[in-house]
Amino acid sequence: DAKTTQPNSMESNEEEPVHLPCNHSTISGTDYIHWYRQLPSQGPEYVIHGLTSNVNNRMASLAIAEDRKSSTLILHRATLRDAAVYYCILRDEETGANNLFFGTGTRLTVIP
Amino acid sequence: NAGVTQTPKFRILKIGQSMTLQCAQDMNHNYMYWYRQDPGMGLKLIYYSVGAGITDKGEVPNGYNVSRSTTEDFPLRLELAAPSQTSVYFCASSYSIARGPGQPQHFGDGTRLSIL
Repeated sequence: DAKTTQPNSMESNEEEPVHLPCNHSTISGTDYIHWYRQLPSQGPEYVIHGLTSNVNNRMASLAIAEDRKSSTLILHRATLRDAAVYYCILRDEETGANNLFFGTGTRLTVIP
Repeated sequence: NAGVTQTPKFRILKIGQSMTLQCAQDMNHNYMYWYRQDPGMGLKLIYYSVGAGITDKGEVPNGYNVSRSTTEDFPLRLELAAPSQTSVYFCASSYSIARGPGQPQHFGDGTRLSIL
């Protein structure tokens, strides 16, 4: 699976939007972009995924560059509960096992 | 819904002891996974299973064994515990990607294991 590059940490003020970047310059045509987050002392939880088009769900939005070499997870209004480590993961959806390969992610701190 | 349930939540083992970490899911997911997470690091895949009776190695399988006799359960066994296996262990499950792309994995709350 292709690798991703994320900043180690970011800070945001509460109730402001947060843009979490992810670079994936070696992405292949069958790689989907997945985002998970891990709250303190919990297992990871799914946030959002996409292939080419921008995606929205109740948790976040995913903006994907036209060349697919980067993407941005957007939290529209950060709350204290959004403080977590955010992982950007590429997964080849043509393989059979649905495996995820986690990097070290971006630790988001939300300032009250 | 219980989701993915892991037991125990915490355990301390002595070097050389063995134990089984339990994982059960009630979502009728075909796929199940075991990961370990060392401090400050991302998760690494130990073993996975695409259905009852089928298991395969992930990135870091040495020192572990798994079995999958039912859809619901996927226990992870440590035969001879070593200090390097001190970690937090997460179990996860998902539907097959045959259901469509992007099937999310659902994680348990983890088992914190210390080997002294």
